[in-house]
Amino acid sequence: SQQGEEDPQALSIQEGENATMNCSYKTSINNLQWYRQNSGRGLVHLILIRSNEREKHSGRLRVTLDTSKKSSSLLITASRAADTASYFCATDSNQFYFGTGTSLTVIP
Amino acid sequence: SQTIHQWPATLVQPVGSPLSLECTVEGTSNPNLYWYRQAAGRGLQLLFYSVGIGQISSEVPQNLSASRPQDRQFILSSKKLLLSDSGFYLCAWSVGISGNTIYFGEGSWLTVV
Repeated sequence: SQQGEEDPQALSIQEGENATMNCSYKTSINNLQWYRQNSGRGLVHLILIRSNEREKHSGRLRVTLDTSKKSSSLLITASRAADTASYFCATDSNQFYFGTGTSLTVIP
Repeated sequence: SQTIHQWPATLVQPVGSPLSLECTVEGTSNPNLYWYRQAAGRGLQLLFYSVGIGQISSEVPQNLSASRPQDRQFILSSKKLLLSDSGFYLCAWSVGISGNTIYFGEGSWLTVV
């Protein structure tokens, strides 16, 4: 399977803390993307990082990519209760393949 | 702007009954179309994708089939549902693949009883 894996599977933090999620994948990629899924809803795109980039920022989001280790991390700074959701990484080598997701709970 | 519609939102079907989930995209032409399945608390599994009318690629062997009768219509079907077909089904579209975003519908909850 080309599916990636997120780590940890579940994460619970207090509001205001930072949340870090990791993603590992198996094949070479063109780009890596992170998506968010509220419970029982479709996925929403958060950020894309290209294979020749090492770090990218968007608001409170920071994404890193290490192609030598085939891994990426998503950092959400100053978390809010509204950040509670599942987060998935997706690679787009020849199709969009999603990881298994990290379930983030931010406690108010 | 582009929108994606997927229905029905929820359905409960008995084992052995047929299935039809429909997805339509508006505001774009010749999109790539996808069906994903998500088991409870799990990741997304790519079931089918289509790059054009009548062109369907299957990622995994299964009890389901897909069809694309029109450019912006994608249908997921089964002749006889199994208990293991239960899950959350997501339709999605993109313009190409590399470097592009994939956009999801709101999903369909299927419970096979």
